[in-house]
Amino acid sequence: DTGVSQNPRHKITKRGQNVTFRCDPISEHNRLYWYRQTLGQGPEFLTYFQNEAQLEKSRLLSDRFSAERPKGSFSTLEIQRTEQGDSAMYLCASSAAGQLSYEQYFGPGTRLTVT
Amino acid sequence: QKEVEQNSGPLSVPEGAIASLNCTYSDRGSQSFFWYRQYSGKSPELIMSIYSNGDKEDGRFTAQLNKASQYVSLLIRDSQPSDSATYLCAVNKGVGSGNTPLVFGKGTRLSVIA
Repeated sequence: DTGVSQNPRHKITKRGQNVTFRCDPISEHNRLYWYRQTLGQGPEFLTYFQNEAQLEKSRLLSDRFSAERPKGSFSTLEIQRTEQGDSAMYLCASSAAGQLSYEQYFGPGTRLTVT
Repeated sequence: QKEVEQNSGPLSVPEGAIASLNCTYSDRGSQSFFWYRQYSGKSPELIMSIYSNGDKEDGRFTAQLNKASQYVSLLIRDSQPSDSATYLCAVNKGVGSGNTPLVFGKGTRLSVIA
């Protein structure tokens, strides 16, 4: 039984470059969430999917951010034209919709540093 | 008013004591409540979930929920130095099945002194 995995674990990029992160949820989970966490703050919701459908996007998610889950399995989060303010830990979580338990389990995160 | 509020701490307790962590939330429609533990540089780890008023116990951890007061707490009995971490309170946003995105507090930093 594997947990949520994320790749890469660390990414350093220069301002203006595009980056893409991948998340593989727990295999039987059909809901997948993206959060962002900066130092001293709790995670902030970005967007989430049920299967391949994107159900909600936060106002935090500017038009430079896009997320996909094309086959309802793994998901990608792309940030275009990165800015220094995008530096954060990007966290992916998954849960099993339709069950009595609504627990979300997090992956190890991708730490993005924009220089 | 912030949606989920926690004291940032640090909360320092001696080894073997009970640590009490508190959280208040603003959305009366919330149905699912969670406590996560986060070690420095790591991702949040789920330690407790609670959906109904009252207490829920799991090992050394007890979560308490009072929806009328919009209050959630976590008690850690027989605290160990390995419990030293930031504890995040999370509440599902909006009305619905309870399986919706979470709103987190900023976390309370706990330090257990040996």
